[in-house]
Amino acid sequence: EPEVTQTPSHQVTQMGQEVILRCVPISNHLYFYWYRQILGQKVEFLVSFYNNEISEKSEIFDDQFSVERPDGSNFTLKIRSTKLEDSAMYFCASGGNTQYFGPGTRLTVL
Amino acid sequence: KNEVEQSPQNLTAQEGEFITINCSYSVGISALHWLQQHPGGGIVSLFMLSSGKKKHGRLIATINIQEKHSSLHITASHPRDSAVYICAVLKTSYDKVIFGPGTSLSVIP
Repeated sequence: EPEVTQTPSHQVTQMGQEVILRCVPISNHLYFYWYRQILGQKVEFLVSFYNNEISEKSEIFDDQFSVERPDGSNFTLKIRSTKLEDSAMYFCASGGNTQYFGPGTRLTVL
Repeated sequence: KNEVEQSPQNLTAQEGEFITINCSYSVGISALHWLQQHPGGGIVSLFMLSSGKKKHGRLIATINIQEKHSSLHITASHPRDSAVYICAVLKTSYDKVIFGPGTSLSVIP
């Protein structure tokens, strides 16, 4: 069964560093999403992406964040200058009416 | 006010018990998901509902669109069912998913 994959599974970085989280969506899907879950809190929407552009973004998704689909398979989330409060689990999803979630990347900012 | 609410927040059950987790939402939806999250964090989709009832093994999910309410039932609960169960909705197709706060279930042998 096709699945969404994410790399790395765990990323540790120093505050102020740039990180890129990678996702490979299911191949025939056209809609892509990033979500975030801070430890102990509910999952929150960050951004949705369709037709090579952002279709919606939340208040969390400020200028420090960007998304890109650099080739036909990868979908990336970049955090330009990480802050301590960016420490969270980041989930990628693809699909539409049914969304398929990746296993997540745990980002730890020290 | 949260658009998706769940109850209870935490639930402890003895192995074999019948479990019900409730979800209520305040917006019009095109679909509702029940998701499972184990320690370690990955999210697994259990059901997607737009009406009626679905069953998969020991899990049953129901939805009442008029009352804006859904329930997830687990029959003959087992310790491996211990996880966080999350209700999540889509207002329209291809929209972002709006997540509930989750219900933490612990099944004791």
